[in-house]
Amino acid sequence: ETGVTQTPRHLVMGMTNKKSLKCEQHLGHNAMYWYKQSAKKPLELMFVYSLEERVENNSVPSRFSPECPNSSHLFLHLHTLQPEDSALYLCASSQDVGGTALYEQYFGPGTRLTVT
Amino acid sequence: TQLLEQSPQFLSIQEGENLTVYCNSSSVFSSLQWYRQEPGEGPVLLVTVVTGGEVKKLKRLTFQFGDARKDSSLHITAAQPGDTGLYLCAGAGRTGNQFYFGTGTSLTVIP
Repeated sequence: ETGVTQTPRHLVMGMTNKKSLKCEQHLGHNAMYWYKQSAKKPLELMFVYSLEERVENNSVPSRFSPECPNSSHLFLHLHTLQPEDSALYLCASSQDVGGTALYEQYFGPGTRLTVT
Repeated sequence: TQLLEQSPQFLSIQEGENLTVYCNSSSVFSSLQWYRQEPGEGPVLLVTVVTGGEVKKLKRLTFQFGDARKDSSLHITAAQPGDTGLYLCAGAGRTGNQFYFGTGTSLTVIP
């Protein structure tokens, strides 16, 4: 039990669908993250939230829309995705973010997304 | 972008052998972490190194941070099948809000 849960674990969607990924952390952390993990590519940081405020957005296409209603929940809204968006989407949390220190990140098990 | 290159990309060894995984960059990192990811799971932190030249040991795993804080290595002694997984290094960027993960080393330990 990592303290970070993600739903659904698997998702298949067409390019015209709209779906949402959900992440919840039970660790009392202030920061939450979305990552994309594709085959043969490094783990890519997509978004960073600190106390419900987005502090980093790494040039992610607008078809990915994050939402952080409180420090325990993080969503990733998906619409009109492309086949190349198929990947494992990982959520993580950490005590804090910022400065030059690396905080331990606790990852969820991920959502395996397939876009057809 | 602060790129972290890991080598080797894939490694398959027999139980009981020793191995070393490398994480290299042209950039300086204030600190660096190593994670292990098992199939169907998210990465789990193994260690954080902060000081150039620092060496940390975690049972059969030895981690070293380069003197210039641009590279790191992970050495496993007498590998076990339970060590199988994807090993990832990660470094903090200048702002602290950016985290760069390495390209990963997929290790398989054969019983």
